[in-house]
Amino acid sequence: TQLLEQSPQFLSIQEGENLTVYCNSSSVFSSLQWYRQEPGEGPVLLVTVVTGGEVKKLKRLTFQFGDARKDSSLHITAAQPGDTGLYLCAAGGGSNYQLIWGAGTKLIIKP
Amino acid sequence: DTAVSQTPKYLVTQMGNDKSIKCEQNLGHDTMYWYKQDSKKFLKIMFSYNNKELIINETVPNRFSPKSPDKAHLNLHINSLELGDSAVYFCASSQDFRALRQFFGPGTRLTVL
Repeated sequence: TQLLEQSPQFLSIQEGENLTVYCNSSSVFSSLQWYRQEPGEGPVLLVTVVTGGEVKKLKRLTFQFGDARKDSSLHITAAQPGDTGLYLCAAGGGSNYQLIWGAGTKLIIKP
Repeated sequence: DTAVSQTPKYLVTQMGNDKSIKCEQNLGHDTMYWYKQDSKKFLKIMFSYNNKELIINETVPNRFSPKSPDKAHLNLHINSLELGDSAVYFCASSQDFRALRQFFGPGTRLTVL
């Protein structure tokens, strides 16, 4: 069974701090995505990474795909209250092309 | 314009009742999905349709029956509701079944009393 483990499960920090959340697996994936879900809404795609070692930046968010394509990290610089949400990673390569989802990291940024 | 819409947003009902949730996408996508998100926020795929054909049918009680009248719509009917069915149900769509990016609806919070 392919599993994606996200850590930490919950993170609460002050505005302006930096943070990193992780998405790990023992399986190799063809791609990995990060979604953000805000309360009362569905997940929204932030980024897709497909190449081992790939780094993508989205303003203050930096995403990295591990060299072996088994893990990924999301780093947020100078976190803001608007970054609050549930961050989900999802990997491609499941049966019938379905995505394999992590359980998410709930992030709260306090003003 | 809303890309993926679901109705209703909230659904509160008694055990044993039958209810339906509707989903529509105006993105012209071929593939649609139903997910269940439990209280721990874990997203679990339930069904997927590609061009009205069922392609993913995970281990879900047969009380749950999806129906796709056309590729823009995917409805979910639930018979004999149980307490454990309480969750948020998300509809999603993607350009086709190989596409990585999925677009989600706002969710339907189902509470079974």
